[in-house]
Amino acid sequence: DAEITQSPRHKITETGRQVTLACHQTWNHNNMFWYRQDLGHGLRLIHYSYGVQDTNKGEVSDGYSVSRSNTEDLPLTLESAASSQTSVYFCASSDGNSPLHFGNGTRLTVT
Amino acid sequence: DAKTTQPPSMDCAEGRAANLPCNHSTISGNEYVYWYRQIHSQGPQYIIHGLKNNETNEMASLIITEDRKSSTLILPHATLRDTAVYYCIVREYSSASKIIFGSGTRLSIRP
Repeated sequence: DAEITQSPRHKITETGRQVTLACHQTWNHNNMFWYRQDLGHGLRLIHYSYGVQDTNKGEVSDGYSVSRSNTEDLPLTLESAASSQTSVYFCASSDGNSPLHFGNGTRLTVT
Repeated sequence: DAKTTQPPSMDCAEGRAANLPCNHSTISGNEYVYWYRQIHSQGPQYIIHGLKNNETNEMASLIITEDRKSSTLILPHATLRDTAVYYCIVREYSSASKIIFGSGTRLSIRP
């Protein structure tokens, strides 16, 4: 079965370090999205991509970057991790108007 | 993309129908209404979507008003496992569609 996987599931890092969160989907979807969710709040869009070599900024993109070199992967990089970036990160994919498929999330703690 | 407004919380007795409202007064003609839910800290799960006709699937029913400015998600026989945050979003019928989530409604099911 097709799926979307995120790794790692949990990550602890120090302030100032560069961190990359992985997202891999086997749906062959063109559209991929990264969201963050802070405790007790909804999902906020960080970056999204409509296809290979395409990336776009979302609502809260400062301090984050993405690259799309193939259809399956959209890694999210925190250039210099800050405590304000402690959050749960969700990756999702879709095609056309098909529903979003979400990964199980990565819980990131920045100390 | 049109914005949505949902009540922050609701509760419902187990076995009764749960009716979750959503206001999307600025929806445009080519935007669909989608519903997702998030149980605890898992990735959001797709429930149902529609354009202007009422829709039903094995999980829920979606009632969209004739002017399309609001909709209601109906869980016909709520169970304790339906306790979750429910998100209503609107998005265009196209492959290039940014997807923004609001704060959602926290639904609590009482035994």
